[in-house]
Amino acid sequence: GDSVTQMEGPVTLSEEAFLTINCTYTATGYPSLFWYVQYPGEGLQLLLKATKADDKGSNKGFEATYRKETTSFHLEKGSVQVSDSAVYFCALRNSGGYQKVTFGTGTKLQVIP
Amino acid sequence: DTEVTQTPKHLVMGMTNKKSLKCEQHMGHRAMYWYKQKAKKPPELMFVYSYEKLSINESVPSRFSPECPNSSLLNLHLHALQPEDSALYLCASSQEPNTNTEAFFGQGTRLTVV
Repeated sequence: GDSVTQMEGPVTLSEEAFLTINCTYTATGYPSLFWYVQYPGEGLQLLLKATKADDKGSNKGFEATYRKETTSFHLEKGSVQVSDSAVYFCALRNSGGYQKVTFGTGTKLQVIP
Repeated sequence: DTEVTQTPKHLVMGMTNKKSLKCEQHMGHRAMYWYKQKAKKPPELMFVYSYEKLSINESVPSRFSPECPNSSLLNLHLHALQPEDSALYLCASSQEPNTNTEAFFGQGTRLTVV
């Protein structure tokens, strides 16, 4: 079945540092890929998405590129802020009969001033 | 408007109580979902509704009973829960079933069973 693997956390960075959170996936067919963010005590917010190979999703300074050859969708940001502290989930959704969103285990990011 | 609204935000209930969680979206989405999220874990799918009909039940105990009164509303009825059912319950919706479009999530209901 479909699966998503993302790097273990927590990740602790100083403000203005460069962020990479690795994500790889296993799926049949042509899934869409997503990054969701969850701030403490809140629900999930869609951060960015990519629907086909070589698409780049971007939002709020975050970027991720859909790499079919390496089955990866790594999240990057050039300069993190304290307000970016949250848990980040990589996820996929496949077309076809089974409709669920498959999540990675989540990576907690802590940004210190 | 990409908002999914859940009420209540917090709920404390005893093991003999009956309560309901509510979810509403006005995006015209025809697929709606209930997820359960335990601390430091990803969300786990519980139920999927497609065009107001239950299409997926992930072997959820019968003490959880979903209901979809119309295309905008989704309820989760709770009865005789156990303390281990304490979790964040998330509602989500997506444009169409059987597609790979994104799902939009609500803020969740933090449920504590005492």
